[in-house]
Amino acid sequence: AQSVTQLGSHVSVSEGALVLLRCNYSSSVPPYLFWYVQYPNQGLQLLLKYTSAATLVKGINGFEAEFKKSETSFHLTKPSAHMSDAAEYFCAVTPGGYQKVTFGTGTKLQVIP
Amino acid sequence: DTGVSQNPRHKITKRGQNVTFRCDPISEHNRLYWYRQTLGQGPEFLTYFQNEAQLEKSRLLSDRFSAERPKGSFSTLEIQRTEQGDSAMYLCASSLSKGDTEAFFGQGTRLTVV
Repeated sequence: AQSVTQLGSHVSVSEGALVLLRCNYSSSVPPYLFWYVQYPNQGLQLLLKYTSAATLVKGINGFEAEFKKSETSFHLTKPSAHMSDAAEYFCAVTPGGYQKVTFGTGTKLQVIP
Repeated sequence: DTGVSQNPRHKITKRGQNVTFRCDPISEHNRLYWYRQTLGQGPEFLTYFQNEAQLEKSRLLSDRFSAERPKGSFSTLEIQRTEQGDSAMYLCASSLSKGDTEAFFGQGTRLTVV
């Protein structure tokens, strides 16, 4: 079975500050991990994915995430927040291959000017 | 390629009525997924198809829910005798069946049962 825990349902950062959204996972087999972003009343857009290759994954819009097996973590970071980054972010896990994906409960990112 | 298309975008229905949603996946994608998202929650898996075969159904998919993908292209999700608890965003996604490819999501259908 797989599960994802996102720490902090709401995160606020100042424009230009570091963005750090936390995700811990549980999986009985080597996982694939994803971060998605969702804007209000929209579907989900993939930011980045880890599929057992490089542990540091770079995604779109300057985001990146590092897979740490020892910590069962896949935290999302961005060096400098932009106003357009305000959205809800979902961490997700699947047991290898995109089949049944389990999502976390989401973290709403607020960017303060 | 216009992405995953879902219709309608919004649906308001009275309790007890039946509703049907449609999803048109990206044309070359053979996998199609349905998720449900309630306020403040992440999407929850409902079911998925590979071509026309429905390969897995979540326990969330009660007997009132049925999904079809008759020709392996578009899919429909029907909810019979809707209840207020069915109010949610219903998301469709599609992907290729290769292991490391991601799914692309539609914009969802927001259902409100009054």
